[in-house]
Amino acid sequence: NAGVTQTPKFRVLKTGQSMTLLCAQDMNHEYMYWYRQDPGMGLRLIHYSVGEGTTAKGEVPDGYNVSRLKKQNFLLGLESAAPSQTSVYFCASSRQGSSETQYFGPGTRLLVL
Amino acid sequence: GDSVTQMEGPVTLSEEAFLTINCTYTATGYPSLFWYVQYPGEGLQLLLKATKADDKGSNKGFEATYRKETTSFHLEKGSVQVSDSAVYFCAPRTDNTDKLIFGTGTRLQVFP
Repeated sequence: NAGVTQTPKFRVLKTGQSMTLLCAQDMNHEYMYWYRQDPGMGLRLIHYSVGEGTTAKGEVPDGYNVSRLKKQNFLLGLESAAPSQTSVYFCASSRQGSSETQYFGPGTRLLVL
Repeated sequence: GDSVTQMEGPVTLSEEAFLTINCTYTATGYPSLFWYVQYPGEGLQLLLKATKADDKGSNKGFEATYRKETTSFHLEKGSVQVSDSAVYFCAPRTDNTDKLIFGTGTRLQVFP
């Protein structure tokens, strides 16, 4: 089992460029999440999904879009990157239920110039 | 709203010292409580969890007890090692939203 994988590991963008971050999980989890981690601010939830074909906004959704066309994949898109989106992005997945563990990917480091 | 408060770091200890990282939370309903650890350059890993009041989670010598009356989930270890140097996150997961609530984390630095 690979668990949760993220692609790419590192990316540099210029302001205004677009990109898509891919998250994949092989644990048949219903729930998937995208977080960003910035220095001194912990993890903040961007968007999440409770099942294939469904998505919802988290705490900081502006400037991002997501899609969950397949149960195992959760895509995070930046349509027009801004320097404020420089961050480390983590994907996570879990089964349904508050007692279930969220499993995290290794992260994608994004630098927007 | 739901929130979590952790002691600010960095916490700096010598090897074999006793560790306590305080965590208190505000959450509706009956959350499950998690401690995650993040080693340098890596993602978060589950360290331990407790799903109901008075439960004790334990792993790798770390322990934390779910204290509903004080809404706390303090992390302890009797003898830390250099390899425990990392950032530790306390995170309740609420039973009405299934979301984890993260604080800013506590950085632990252990010196030989």
